Amino acid sequence: DAGITQSPRHKVTETGTPVTLRCHQTENHRYMYWYRQDPGHGLRLIHYSYGVKDTDKGEVSDGYSVSRSKTEDFLLTLESATSSQTSVYFCAISGGRGYQGYTFGSGTRLTVV
Amino acid sequence: RKEVEQDPGPFNVPEGATVAFNCTYSNSASQSFFWYRQDCRKEPKLLMSVYSSGNEDGRFTAQLNRASQYISLLIRDSKLSDSATYLCVVNDGTGGGADGLTFGKGTHLIIQP
Repeated sequence: DAGITQSPRHKVTETGTPVTLRCHQTENHRYMYWYRQDPGHGLRLIHYSYGVKDTDKGEVSDGYSVSRSKTEDFLLTLESATSSQTSVYFCAISGGRGYQGYTFGSGTRLTVV
Repeated sequence: RKEVEQDPGPFNVPEGATVAFNCTYSNSASQSFFWYRQDCRKEPKLLMSVYSSGNEDGRFTAQLNRASQYISLLIRDSKLSDSATYLCVVNDGTGGGADGLTFGKGTHLIIQP
């Protein structure tokens, strides 16, 4: 399997607190993505990165920021967590944007109380 | 807005039967197509790519109809372990923009003993 890990696997946090999720890859892939998955909505893109320090917004980026200071790490920050951000967050990597499919991490289950 | 539509199911199928499901996509410029499998509370995993000529991988056959913009997945001799959600995935075909891949919401398959 591709080397992609997400941390933490589970997190419970309080409304209004900042939260950072980490995605780490050992495949040296250029593209990295953050998705959230909710019942009835499927996978929705939050942000993506096409290189170190190169990021762009996805479909549901409000309330989220990202950073990529190294090829291997892509961080997702919830600036001030809200209950609507309770979700499962998946990171994905790809060597070629959209043409090779993505490999997903195991996900982070986030609960905002 | 690019759309990928799937019947959410569930499809309840007896073990050993053949099951097929389709998805339709709206973006005629799409060039790459995939089926992903997602088990409950797990990450999506690439099942197979879909090629214009159709392709087979063991008990699984994928077909692409560009004219009608739909993709199909056929599972023969279904096993209990085939129970999962199957995601239809299509690339945006532009090489740019906010998203390389568009995910359907998935079809839930339950194989019954």
